[in-house]
Amino acid sequence: DAKTTQPTSMDCAEGRAANLPCNHSTISGNEYVYWYRQIHSQGPQYIIHGLKNNETNEMASLIITEDRKSSTLILPHATLRDTAVYYCIALKSFGTGTRLTIIP
Amino acid sequence: DAGVIQSPRHEVTEMGQEVTLRCKPISGHNSLFWYRQTMMRGLELLIYFNNNVPIDDSGMPEDRFSAKMPNASFSTLKIQPSEPRDSAVYFCASRVTLSSPLHFGNGTRLTVT
Repeated sequence: DAKTTQPTSMDCAEGRAANLPCNHSTISGNEYVYWYRQIHSQGPQYIIHGLKNNETNEMASLIITEDRKSSTLILPHATLRDTAVYYCIALKSFGTGTRLTIIP
Repeated sequence: DAGVIQSPRHEVTEMGQEVTLRCKPISGHNSLFWYRQTMMRGLELLIYFNNNVPIDDSGMPEDRFSAKMPNASFSTLKIQPSEPRDSAVYFCASRVTLSSPLHFGNGTRLTVT
């Protein structure tokens, strides 16, 4: 599956929107983009996924560029409990993710 | 929905011993994955099954590692003999199809002394 690239770490103020970018320039036309997060040493938790269109659920929104080479996960009102490592993957292979820290 | 169930939660063993990790996927999920997580390498895919058949085991580090899925509701990952460098958290995950979201278990923390 396609390789993804994410920033190593990000900070976001509590209550603000957290925007996490991901590059997946080699993604193929039928590969979905999935986002997961991992808190402490728990198993990764599914957040959202999409193919071409922007998606929204109770946890987050996913914006996928028209050329599908990148996407952004948006946590609209970040809370301290959103502090975690966020992974963007194409199918099954995880990279190193983005460590998101929410600052009070 | 009980989720993916892994056992044991923690395993401490001595070098050279055999270790068996167990996983019960979510009922109805046709694909099962074994991952290993360490600080150095992050989350590595070891092997995955589709309809109980191993599809890709290229991530299995060496012959000491083996995985089986005798039926749709059970899988094992065995390390024989274990070595200290095998110390890691091992996660099992399942999904309905190969293109649906992964659901992870809580992992088995393995320590080999």
